[in-house]
Amino acid sequence: KNEVEQSPQNLTAQEGEFITINCSYSVGISALHWLQQHPGGGIVSLFMLSSGKKKHGRLIATINIQEKHSSLHITASHPRDSAVYICAVRSNTGNQFYFGTGTSLTVIP
Amino acid sequence: DAGVIQSPRHEVTEMGQEVTLRCKPISGHDYLFWYRQTMMRGLELLIYFNNNVPIDDSGMPEDRFSAKMPNASFSTLKIQPSEPRDSAVYFCASSSGYTQYFGPGTRLTVL
Repeated sequence: KNEVEQSPQNLTAQEGEFITINCSYSVGISALHWLQQHPGGGIVSLFMLSSGKKKHGRLIATINIQEKHSSLHITASHPRDSAVYICAVRSNTGNQFYFGTGTSLTVIP
Repeated sequence: DAGVIQSPRHEVTEMGQEVTLRCKPISGHDYLFWYRQTMMRGLELLIYFNNNVPIDDSGMPEDRFSAKMPNASFSTLKIQPSEPRDSAVYFCASSSGYTQYFGPGTRLTVL
């Protein structure tokens, strides 16, 4: 069983749609990260969350510590949002990191 | 700042050879991470350092892998001897807090 589960694995959306990617985890955490990996391979850290909600431009990330769940939302999606989005958590025991398998998002013009 | 710098960007070698990957973190960052990414296993943390000291190397696959950080501005990941199953993209990342900044990666192919 993976410590971090993401859904959906693949997602295709029309430009302008509101997108939600989900992440559930089974370990106690000190932080949760959302990463974005573009087709060229580069990885960008989007958010680090330990509670509540963060917003950056059209991206919103939320976390519910009690339910061990986080969501990444993209409003008014654009083809340049096409990428793989990866959820990662840092455990609060042992300083270990666990990664989801990623959600591949394609936004069609 | 130039960001995290990794070299080489691409490496092709034959099995049995020694491979050394290099990373220069962002100046002032006190954490450095080495990751491996494959299609089969996704992104995996291999090892990370804090203030040049290895903190957790539980992700290092086996004794053929070793990592060093001789100073705050340089780290190496060495594979000896390399095997075809080591083929992957290896990322280095650094941070001074919780946000990690990733390098462009080294694509390693072992024939």
